[in-house]
Amino acid sequence: GDSVTQMEGPVTLSEEAFLTINCTYTATGYPSLFWYVQYPGEGLQLLLKATKADDKGSNKGFEATYRKETTSFHLEKGSVQVSDSAVYFCALSDLNGSASKIIFGSGTRLSIRP
Amino acid sequence: GAVVSQHPSWVICKSGTSVKIECRSLDFQATTMFWYRQFPKQSLMLMATSNEGSKATYEQGVEKDKFLINHASLTLSTLTVTSAHPEDSSFYICSAVAGGPLMVFGPGTRLTVL
Repeated sequence: GDSVTQMEGPVTLSEEAFLTINCTYTATGYPSLFWYVQYPGEGLQLLLKATKADDKGSNKGFEATYRKETTSFHLEKGSVQVSDSAVYFCALSDLNGSASKIIFGSGTRLSIRP
Repeated sequence: GAVVSQHPSWVICKSGTSVKIECRSLDFQATTMFWYRQFPKQSLMLMATSNEGSKATYEQGVEKDKFLINHASLTLSTLTVTSAHPEDSSFYICSAVAGGPLMVFGPGTRLTVL
């Protein structure tokens, strides 16, 4: 079945460092891909998404490009801030445009040192 | 934007009792909602798909008699944990499709069974 594999954490970086969190997926069709973020004590929030190959999702300085050839959707940010400390989940949805379940990766905890 | 609420946000109960968790879409209608379970420092695991006006669809390994789901209206789904035991203690999260592939998540309900 469909699955998502993402980089294990925790990841600890200094402020203004470059961030990459790797994510690869396995899917039989053409899924939509997502990055969700969960800040301490809060619910899950959509960070960015891409619905087809070569699409780039971006938000709050974060970017991820839907790479069909490598089945990847790596999350990047050029300069992280302390406020980016959170758990990040890569996810896919197996039916674009329809009500469908989302399959999550295991999550990567990110901590940013001042 | 689309908002999903959950009630209660946290609940503590005695072993053997039943607990009901509500999930509401506040400004949109949702024919389909999803229930997830999240263990500490782990990813979200899909438990079931809740369909308005019909029976829920449960994921493999989820006991449907223990986790009763009722999608009473286009804005409300409830999850009842029956005869709760300490191993049912977890963070329960619902979500609903708010158009296209956009999934909106509730803030979650923390259940502690003593």
